[in-house]
Amino acid sequence: DAGITQSPRHKVTETGTPVTLRCHQTENHRYMYWYRQDPGHGLRLIHYSYGVKDTDKGEVSDGYSVSRSKTEDFLLTLESATSSQTSVYFCAISTPGLAYEQYFGPGTRLTVT
Amino acid sequence: DAKTTQPNSMESNEEEPVHLPCNHSTISGTDYIHWYRQLPSQGPEYVIHGLTSNVNNRMASLAIAEDRKSSTLILHRATLRDAAVYYCILRDGLDSGGGADGLTFGKGTHLIIQP
Repeated sequence: DAGITQSPRHKVTETGTPVTLRCHQTENHRYMYWYRQDPGHGLRLIHYSYGVKDTDKGEVSDGYSVSRSKTEDFLLTLESATSSQTSVYFCAISTPGLAYEQYFGPGTRLTVT
Repeated sequence: DAKTTQPNSMESNEEEPVHLPCNHSTISGTDYIHWYRQLPSQGPEYVIHGLTSNVNNRMASLAIAEDRKSSTLILHRATLRDAAVYYCILRDGLDSGGGADGLTFGKGTHLIIQP
């Protein structure tokens, strides 16, 4: 299994509070991603990173920010959590190439009340 | 990325082969066909990928139509542990980011395995 951990694994927070989710990898992979998954939907890309301090927006980036100060860590921040951000969040990693594979973390279940 | 179409669900019996179809009629010449699966309460897991030729690995086989407008993921002998949502995803092999931007997941096929 790829060395990807996510923390916390579960979190309940109140509307309007800031929340930071952490993804940590031990594989030294260059690319990292944050996805969210809601019931009845496939995964949707929030933000991704193609190197330290290099990030870009995905399909559903509104309300989220990211930071990557080290190769191994990719942080996802909800500046002011809303109930619509209740979801399961998955981190993934990959390496450059024409036909790459993404390896996913175990997920973080976030509930915003 | 080009769009894929998969059945919402399929059912099969344990220890029998399973053929999961995927239609991608608008596939371009540089699109790779990827399959991922997601077991209950887990993150997605890479299964297999291919471009033109059929591919085999320890998990499954990928059969690609000659015109590349469809493909089939084949599980040769399904077990209860294969019950999952299977996603067929196209990814351009020549994207400018070298693969940095993410995958586009549809709703996939929910595979049910009967004992």
